[in-house]
Amino acid sequence: QKEVEQNSGPLSVPEGAIASLNCTYSDRVSQSFFWYRQYSGKSPELIMSIYSNGDKEDGRFTAQLNKASQYVSLLIRDSQPSDSATYLCAVKGGAQKLVFGQGTRLTINP
Amino acid sequence: DADVTQTPRNRITKTGKRIMLECSQTKGHDRMYWYRQDPGLGLRLIYYSFDVKDINKGEISDGYSVSRQAQAKFSLSLESAIPNQTALYFCATSERPYTEAFFGQGTRLTVV
Repeated sequence: QKEVEQNSGPLSVPEGAIASLNCTYSDRVSQSFFWYRQYSGKSPELIMSIYSNGDKEDGRFTAQLNKASQYVSLLIRDSQPSDSATYLCAVKGGAQKLVFGQGTRLTINP
Repeated sequence: DADVTQTPRNRITKTGKRIMLECSQTKGHDRMYWYRQDPGLGLRLIYYSFDVKDINKGEISDGYSVSRQAQAKFSLSLESAIPNQTALYFCATSERPYTEAFFGQGTRLTVV
């Protein structure tokens, strides 16, 4: 079992709709959870971090964490074409190393 | 200037050659990481370091070695490059045990 798993997509969403990205992780002692956005050929950039159960909102982005189910998600409201990118879920567990999922490619259709 | 700088940005090398990728940071972070990225495989951890004397293997360390010359510098070496090491390589840093990582611009390495 991979430490962090995401659906690789591609996920296609109409402009203005909500995009929902999901991630599961295997290390039960994981402490911190991150969503990065990566444009093709560029470096990952942090868009959300979440450390405790529940929801965390920042503008059009909402991260949701459920430690009991070992599940973290990212919602993007009012999706824009500029949101088209690969979204990477990352988890820091007991060993404090940062482990990534394989990424979900998101396309927003005008 | 970028806080996390990788050199070179692009490199083409021949099979069997030794190559070093360098990473330097001005963020003052103790933790540094090397990742490689292949299409569809996300970022895979090669090595990570929590300070100058603490270096750890990641999930794909075979064929690679690292050196932490100072708090600010973390180098990745391919002792004898092979074509399946062709990839995009990223260096990253983080400040505290469970905080986010900041990435360099990446090095695109091609082994022919």
